[in-house]
Amino acid sequence: DIQMTQSPSSLSASVGDRVTITCQASQDVNNYLNWYQQKPGKAPKLLIYDASNLATGVPSRFSGDGSGTDFTFTIINLQPEDFATYYCQHYRNLPLSFGGGTKVEIK
Amino acid sequence: VQLEQSGAEVKKPGASVKVSCKTSGYTFTSYDLNWVRQAPGQGLEWLGWMSPDSGDAGYAPKFQGRVTMTRNTSIKTAYLELSSLKSDDTAVYYCARGSGFCTSTSCYIGWFDSWGQGTLVSVSS
Repeated sequence: DIQMTQSPSSLSASVGDRVTITCQASQDVNNYLNWYQQKPGKAPKLLIYDASNLATGVPSRFSGDGSGTDFTFTIINLQPEDFATYYCQHYRNLPLSFGGGTKVEIK
Repeated sequence: VQLEQSGAEVKKPGASVKVSCKTSGYTFTSYDLNWVRQAPGQGLEWLGWMSPDSGDAGYAPKFQGRVTMTRNTSIKTAYLELSSLKSDDTAVYYCARGSGFCTSTSCYIGWFDSWGQGTLVSVSS
C-alpha cells in the first residue's frame, strides 16, 4: 500500500501570508494526487486534482505542483476562510489513501 | 449535485449498520460512489468504491469481509453496510462521488468532487 506523508501536521499563519504544505508518497503516484480542504464539522472539499489542476470554483490563490513522489500545495495571500485542515490523497492504485492532514491555524 | 445521507446511528459492538446516500442533480449511473470515514479528531480513511451502473464494488483490504456497498438505481441511492462493529468503527462516514476514468491500460478512482454531509456512527456498549 502507498503511504502518504504530509508535513507539517500543523502550522500557524496570518492573513495575507503564503503557506506551503508538502505531501510525500512512499511510491511513485505519477500525478494522481488530489488536495482537499476540510472545515470543522463539514465534509472535505476538492481543491486540486491531478497535482496541479484547480477544481471548479476554487480561487486561484490555491495551487498545487509535483509529480512522482513529492508534491506541494500552496496558498498565497491567506484569507480568513482558508483556516482549515488540508489533506492530500493519491489514487495511483488501490487502496487509495490520504495524508494525515495539515491544520492551518490563525497566528 | 447533491448527496444526502441518512441520520446518525448508535450501535452496540457486534452489530451491523447500514448508511444510505441519496443522490440528485446528476445521472446516478454515470459516476462511481466511494465511502470515506473519519474517526473523531482523526484523518480520512477510504473504505471502498461502487459502480452504480454495474453494481461492481471494490473494498479496502482492511474492511474486506465486513463491508458491503450496494445501490438502488430506481431511487438513486447508494448504501454502505458495515458488520461486526467495534468501538473503533465510531466515525463519521461520508459518501463521495468519484470522477473515475480509464486510460488505454487501467481504470482509476480519480478525485472526489462532491460529498455527502456525513453520518455519525457511534459504537458503544
